[in-house]
Amino acid sequence: DVVMTQSPLSLPVTLGQPASISCRSSQSLVHSDGNTYLNWFQQRPGQSPRRLIYKVSNRDSGVPDRFSGSGSGTDFTLKIGRVEAEDVGVYYCMQGTHWPRTFGQGTKVEIK
Amino acid sequence: EVQLLESGGGLVQPGGSLRLSCAAAGFTFSSYAMNWVRQAPGKGLEWVSAIVGHFTTYSGDSVKGRFTISRDNSKNTVYLQMNSLRAEDTAVYYCARSASMDVWGQGTTVTVSS
Repeated sequence: DVVMTQSPLSLPVTLGQPASISCRSSQSLVHSDGNTYLNWFQQRPGQSPRRLIYKVSNRDSGVPDRFSGSGSGTDFTLKIGRVEAEDVGVYYCMQGTHWPRTFGQGTKVEIK
Repeated sequence: EVQLLESGGGLVQPGGSLRLSCAAAGFTFSSYAMNWVRQAPGKGLEWVSAIVGHFTTYSGDSVKGRFTISRDNSKNTVYLQMNSLRAEDTAVYYCARSASMDVWGQGTTVTVSS
């Protein structure tokens, strides 16, 4: 199985400051069709997960442009340009290239 | 509006069975792969099972041979039949649309305990 490793697991941030979460996979996530199926999800306290980013860098509709995704192969990053109070929650990366699908452990973002 | 609504959770004894349902609305259900993802109390997300097309299914090792995913396109519903339940299956179970899980339901809680 592909292991997804996120860091850090806890991320205290100051409002208005940037934040960055790393996600590394144990195998390349480049699919035979040429796409890289790496997604990012946000789970706010008490809510269901919500997809933010798909195929590495494509932002979902309604997702603020302070969220951006980048990376390739086995190394990926989610950046929050300037953290707002509503960004508090847990962020997960997930690979959709290989079966079984696998998630990272989650990164808890909180306000300092 | 695109919606997924899970149901069927509850309290069940170890070794028991339960069938979860996820009713879809607002999109052409038959055109999408569907997934089940679970979250144990205080833990992260774990992918459980997926159905691609009408018949192709995949499951994680932790549930293989015990859980079965299926769908009824005439009812816009995906199911998760869970047999031989264990305490470690206790979790909130979410259904999620598409290979990239772009839409999620609100979840249904399964508690396995004597």
